[in-house]
Amino acid sequence: DVKVTQSSRYLVKRTGEKVFLECVQDMDHENMFWYRQDPGLGLRLIYFSYDVKMKEKGDIPEGYSVSREKKERFSLILESASTNQTSMYLCASSTPRTGYSTDTQYFGPGTRLTVL
Amino acid sequence: AQKITQTQPGMFVQEKEAVTLDCTYDTSDPSYGLFWYKQPSSGEMIFLIYQGSYDQQNATEGRYSLNFQKARKSANLVISASQLGDSAMYFCAMSADTGRRALTFGSGTRLQVQP
Repeated sequence: DVKVTQSSRYLVKRTGEKVFLECVQDMDHENMFWYRQDPGLGLRLIYFSYDVKMKEKGDIPEGYSVSREKKERFSLILESASTNQTSMYLCASSTPRTGYSTDTQYFGPGTRLTVL
Repeated sequence: AQKITQTQPGMFVQEKEAVTLDCTYDTSDPSYGLFWYKQPSSGEMIFLIYQGSYDQQNATEGRYSLNFQKARKSANLVISASQLGDSAMYFCAMSADTGRRALTFGSGTRLQVQP
């Protein structure tokens, strides 16, 4: 079974703090993703990575950065946390399929971040 | 650009009955995949079922089936014999087979199974 873990289930931080959210997958997947989930908005893509040291912006990258130094680990960084970054953060990983099939993404349990 | 629309914010179903959750999509990609995920109150997104745009048959996984109508751009999830443990948020999502492989999600449907 695919296993994606996230460093914290709940996190409370103060405005202006630098926040690190860690994600680790154990299935040797090439692709990793960070989403945030807000009520009524579904999940929105923040950043993704196709390989080690590679990263690409998603739909809402402002205020975030990422790091992928090892294949199994993908970190989301809030450089200076703000109250509008209070949200549920979900990490996912997938591996490319061949042919016309599409990757299936597997998610971690999520981190509920509150910024005060 | 891709777009997923789920028009049912909430649904109720009696235990042991079947329920259909609606999903329509829009995309200009010629090849794509459609997914359904379940999110219980614990928060984890659980993969349920996948349908490729070129698949001729509707996907099935146990009690889950995907009613795929390509011409209508719909990908409804059917849950047969509902159980109390099926109560959760359900998200429809899609991604293209090429280029950016991230998922585009709908806003979700909250399903409540009543005894």
